[in-house]
Amino acid sequence: SYELTQPPSVSVSPGQTASISCSGDKLGGKFVSWYQQKPGQSPVLVIYQNDKRPSGIPERFSGSTAGNTATLTISGTQAMDEADYYCQAWDSSTHWVFGGGTKLTVL
Amino acid sequence: QVQLQESGPGLVKPSETLSLTCAVSGYSISSGYYWSWIRQPPGKGLECIGSIYHSGITYYNPSLRSRVTISVDTSKNQFSLKLSSVTAADTAVHYCARVFSPHDGFDIWGQGTLVTVSS
Repeated sequence: SYELTQPPSVSVSPGQTASISCSGDKLGGKFVSWYQQKPGQSPVLVIYQNDKRPSGIPERFSGSTAGNTATLTISGTQAMDEADYYCQAWDSSTHWVFGGGTKLTVL
Repeated sequence: QVQLQESGPGLVKPSETLSLTCAVSGYSISSGYYWSWIRQPPGKGLECIGSIYHSGITYYNPSLRSRVTISVDTSKNQFSLKLSSVTAADTAVHYCARVFSPHDGFDIWGQGTLVTVSS
């Protein structure tokens, strides 16, 4: 089955840039989405098709892919960005797959 | 705007069948999109249980395929999940969500409903 791997946690200081990675076999050939989930809330789509932002998502959120790794970048990180972040991709055998999630802490 | 709302029992006994329904408002299911069930065990990550295309074609997580049935009722504009032979490991918040295509992200989510498997 297809798997996506994320670091369990990432820390960042307010105003700095946070980068969250997501790796998977041949991930560069797939479309990756990213979700933000705050405690007790449903996930929110923040990036789709690798680098597109849905309406209403701040410009400080961006996505990129290189080789087998996708990266979510949050520029000028704010305290409100503290949350769990999940990457997701589609594989022909496993269908919709999520990474294990990364807890972003804004110190 | 488009809204999804899960409903169903919050407590299911081991070995029985978990049944949930997702009511869709603001959009006709028969117009398109894949309609999905995603679960999240307490304190853990997200797992896609499966999806159904508006035409009725289904996609199930291979690890759950033998126990899962997802169906759509276009007359009621809702879709449903049945998961049989549940165990405590199936205890989770269950979300319904929609996605336009395999290349897109899940853009609309329900609020989620906790289903606990316990005797």
